[in-house]
Amino acid sequence: DTAVSQTPKYLVTQMGNDKSIKCEQNLGHDTMYWYKQDSKKFLKIMFSYNNKELIINETVPNRFSPKSPDKAHLNLHINSLELGDSAVYFCASSQDRGADNSPLHFGNGTRLTVT
Amino acid sequence: GQNIDQPTEMTATEGAIVQINCTYQTSGFNGLFWYQQHAGEAPTFLSYNVLDGLEEKGRFSSFLSRSKGYSYLLLKELQMKDSASYLCATGSDSNYQLIWGAGTKLIIKP
Repeated sequence: DTAVSQTPKYLVTQMGNDKSIKCEQNLGHDTMYWYKQDSKKFLKIMFSYNNKELIINETVPNRFSPKSPDKAHLNLHINSLELGDSAVYFCASSQDRGADNSPLHFGNGTRLTVT
Repeated sequence: GQNIDQPTEMTATEGAIVQINCTYQTSGFNGLFWYQQHAGEAPTFLSYNVLDGLEEKGRFSSFLSRSKGYSYLLLKELQMKDSASYLCATGSDSNYQLIWGAGTKLIIKP
C-alpha cells in the first residue's frame, strides 16, 4: 500500500550512460514532482506535472527529460550522465498544485552515483 | 529575491524542549510548511501554517508571524527518534513552487 514508490532505490553508473528512474503514486493526486537533493541537503525542484501537463520546468540541463504517461506516473530519463548528477532524486505528489495547503508526499528517493 | 534561513544544526537533550527557527523572504506568501527528514529517508510532512499564531499537534507545535516573515517549530518531550533534519518550506502565490530551507539537523543526546 505504498503511497509514492520510485525505482530503483540505488543507481550506480558510469559517466556518459543513460538511465531512467520511475515513479508511481496511488494517492489519486493530481500533481507530481521531481526534486534533487544534493550533498548539502538542499531540495531543488526540477519538474512538476499537473494532470500530465508540465507546469514547472526549472533550469535543468536538457539531458533531463520527464515523462508523464498518466497522472499516476512520472518518470525521469537522464542522458549522458555527468559526475555532478550524483545526488538523491525524490519523486513527490500532492493533491493540488504544490504551494498551497496540500502537503507533498515523497517517495523514498533514488540515490544516483555517477562514477 | 526569495530566501529561507534556518540554523544548520542544533543539539538538545532527551526529554527537553527545542525551538527551531525559520525566517523567510518571498515575493508573495501562501503558507509555510515544516517537514521532518531522517537520515537516508524521504521528507515527511509535519505542519502547515497560513495564519498567524500557534498550531499544536501533540508534541510538535508550529508558529507563524507573517509580518515578521518568521516561523518556528517547537518540539516538546524530546525523544531519541526526533533526531532528524527539519526543513522549512514556503510558497509564493505567484507560482506553484515551494522554496526550501537547507534544513536544521537536530541531534538529541541522552
